[in-house]
Amino acid sequence: GAVVSQHPSWVICKSGTSVKIECRSLDFQATTMFWYRQFPKQSLMLMATSNEGSKATYEQGVEKDKFLINHASLTLSTLTVTSAHPEDSSFYICSASGRAGEQFFGPGTRLTVL
Amino acid sequence: QKEVEQNSGPLSVPEGAIASLNCTYSDRGSQSFFWYRQYSGKSPELIMFIYSNGDKEDGRFTAQLNKASQYVSLLIRDSQPSDSATYLCAVSYSSASKIIFGSGTRLSIRP
Repeated sequence: GAVVSQHPSWVICKSGTSVKIECRSLDFQATTMFWYRQFPKQSLMLMATSNEGSKATYEQGVEKDKFLINHASLTLSTLTVTSAHPEDSSFYICSASGRAGEQFFGPGTRLTVL
Repeated sequence: QKEVEQNSGPLSVPEGAIASLNCTYSDRGSQSFFWYRQYSGKSPELIMFIYSNGDKEDGRFTAQLNKASQYVSLLIRDSQPSDSATYLCAVSYSSASKIIFGSGTRLSIRP
């Protein structure tokens, strides 16, 4: 399967700071990437769909000004959590869409906001 | 609203037996069906996908699709303790659309 990387794998930050997470498709070009959030023992929650060269499409209830998504190239999408607070602590996972519509997931970024 | 339903489990299966995981979906227009495995604390990993009615086999895994009944299943033969994980069923209605995930079935293989 295709390889998707995320950086960093974990981050601890102070409340009020911003955190940027990178998602890269390493061996294929992904016109569409997705960002998910997962709280412990809960299901994956889709936050937004990121299309290369255009604005992201956010799911209902996700604040676009708080979770900034940029998909600058066919291999890179970034998620910036602005003014992070403890309730934003979660497991953030990106995925890249393959030709058949399947999604290949990155390893995830565990964010802890103190 | 499009929904994908799975029994949350846990489903306990003895080592070496066949584990059967089931999933139903609400949107008849769904075209692609996926099974993912997620270990605790890790991200989901694609096991296989299926588009057409019938069975699709890949090693110890067999996906079964019945569009008339709107269900998808995953069979795991010769279950191993390493198969213990949460299995996510997912559905999409076009190759360019987002995937709708079920909440997952927790599978436990007992030695």
